[in-house]
Amino acid sequence: DGGITQSPKYLFRKEGQNVTLSCEQNLNHDAMYWYRQDPGQGLRLIYYSQIVNDFQKGDIAEGYSVSREKKESFPLTVTSAQKNPTAFYLCASSRFSLRGGGETQYFGPGTRLLVL
Amino acid sequence: SQQGEEDPQALSIQEGENATMNCSYKTSINNLQWYRQNSGRGLVHLILIRSNEREKHSGRLRVTLDTSKKSSSLLITASRAADTASYFCATRITQGGSEKLVFGKGTKLTVNP
Repeated sequence: DGGITQSPKYLFRKEGQNVTLSCEQNLNHDAMYWYRQDPGQGLRLIYYSQIVNDFQKGDIAEGYSVSREKKESFPLTVTSAQKNPTAFYLCASSRFSLRGGGETQYFGPGTRLLVL
Repeated sequence: SQQGEEDPQALSIQEGENATMNCSYKTSINNLQWYRQNSGRGLVHLILIRSNEREKHSGRLRVTLDTSKKSSSLLITASRAADTASYFCATRITQGGSEKLVFGKGTKLTVNP
């Protein structure tokens, strides 16, 4: 059963703490993405990766970091530098496009991050 | 301002009626995609229309694209309560030498039984 999984479903962060959100896919997709969604808003791109060991900043990368050591995995770390982290975080993947993102994207179920 | 903006922000209809949502964008696009999001869930891809296409159908969905007006519409015919969700348009654009998808803020559709 192919798809994208995200964990945990809910995550609580204390002030000054770094937290890591997991994203795993078994669709054999080369490209993976992280988005942030605030209430009543659309999705904003945080980071994306088109190939293993390579990733690029999106529109709102400040306060976040990623790694892409395996094709299947693209974890996102929300650092203490991100002052307003409360949001719904969505991971997505797509087939590789020579011209970058823009192909049909497949989304995980999301992680809701709350600050204590 | 947003590259893609949906209109209306919210729409409430009765089961069996048709629902029409519109999307306007600002820059030239390679393709336009529509996604659906149930409350608290991830997005699900519905349909993709390329910049050289004018209309596309998929089941009860009909999408049109007018590149001269930089707009698209999504029509859901014979709506069902299960169609209740938020619908987002996403435009594929070239920015900074790479291509990416830019999402609008969405239309929240409520279908009343």
